[in-house]
Order: sequence, then structure tokens, then C-alpha cells
Amino acid sequence: SYELTQPPSVSVSPGQTARITCSGDSLTKKSAYWYQQKSGQAPVLVIYEDSKRPSGIPERFSGSISGTMATLTLSGAQVEDEGDYYCYSTDSSGNHRVFGGGTKLTVL
Amino acid sequence: EVQLLESGGGLVQPGGSLRVSCAASGFTFSNYAMSWVRRAPGKGLECVSDISDSGGSTDYADSVKGRFTISRDNSKNTLYLQMNSLRAEDTAVYYCAKGYSESYYAPGDWGQGTLVTVSS
Repeated sequence: SYELTQPPSVSVSPGQTARITCSGDSLTKKSAYWYQQKSGQAPVLVIYEDSKRPSGIPERFSGSISGTMATLTLSGAQVEDEGDYYCYSTDSSGNHRVFGGGTKLTVL
Repeated sequence: EVQLLESGGGLVQPGGSLRVSCAASGFTFSNYAMSWVRRAPGKGLECVSDISDSGGSTDYADSVKGRFTISRDNSKNTLYLQMNSLRAEDTAVYYCAKGYSESYYAPGDWGQGTLVTVSS
């Protein structure tokens, strides 16, 4: 079955840039989405269709894609950005959707 | 305002069955694909199952295929997940989610989740 691969953890100091990667063979053809989940809360969509930001999401969140790798970038990470981040996409058939394993972002 | 309210979670014995529901409001339910996503303790998000806007197309994670059934009643604005032959590893918070845009599956709105615990 299709898999998306993320690093288990990323750690930065406040104000630094955090980058979280997601690799998957079908990312050359299928869009990537990114979700933030804080402890005890439901997930929140922070990036859709590779690089678009939903209304209400701070401008410091951005997304990009290059080949088979999608990247979520937090420019000037803040303490409140700590949480788990997941990428999401579809296999090459377009019929099966999956989440990456998740990345724990620590900002301290 | 979009609202997704899950119900039906609880404690069930291994091998048992449970049906969770999601009552939707604040949008035209029949125009959106819907998903069930779970997060087990110490694990990441898993897309358990999703269903097209009409209900004519469904998909399942390998881990639940043959045991879980997703369905929807567009006349009642309600999404369901029937879970049979439950296992300890099905213990998780189950979230109902709405596609972020018409004809797209990627979740854009989420409920607060319902806890399913499989234990003897």
C-alpha cells in the first residue's frame, strides 16, 4: 500500500525556520496537504494543494513541492506552533488516501 | 458554521461491534466527500475510511478492510462507521471529517472525535 514518509521529529528555537518533509512516489502527480494537531485537539488544515494557505492560517506557514518531496516551512516558528504535523495525499490511482507518519515539532 | 458531531463511541469487548455516527450541519452535506480518521494512543493519524458525496465510492485502510463499513444518509445529513470484529488495536479517537472543497477528499473540517476503547 502507498506510504508517505516523514521525519519523526524536528526541533528549532523560537524565531528560527522549521522545515518538515514528506516523501512519496506519487507526489509528482498528486497534491500534498498538511495538518497540525495539538495535544487533545482535532487536526487543523494548514496547507492545501501543495502550497495554498486556508484563511486564518498565519503567513509564516508555507508549502512547496519538488519531485517526490513536499515540504512544510514555518518561517519564524513560535512556541504555539508546537505539535504534530502530518502530510496527506493520494496514491497514483487516485483512489486511496493516506497520512504520513507524523512529525513532532518542538520549539524551545 | 460547519458542525460535525460524533457519537456512539464507548467501551466494547474484543470481537464486538460498534457503530459511530456523525451528525453534520452548516453545509450542504450531499455535496461533500466525508472521512473517518482515527488516532490511536501513541500513534499518528490514520485515514480509516472515506466515502464520496453520493456514497457510491468508498475506500478503506488495509487494517480495517472487511471489518468496517462506511455509509452515509444524505437525507439525514449523517455519516456512519459500522465496526465489527473489533480488536485492541482499534482503540482510538475517531474523527469525522468533511472534504475541504466539493469533490475533494482531503479533510477541511473536523469533529471533536469520539473515543472507542476495545478491551475486556
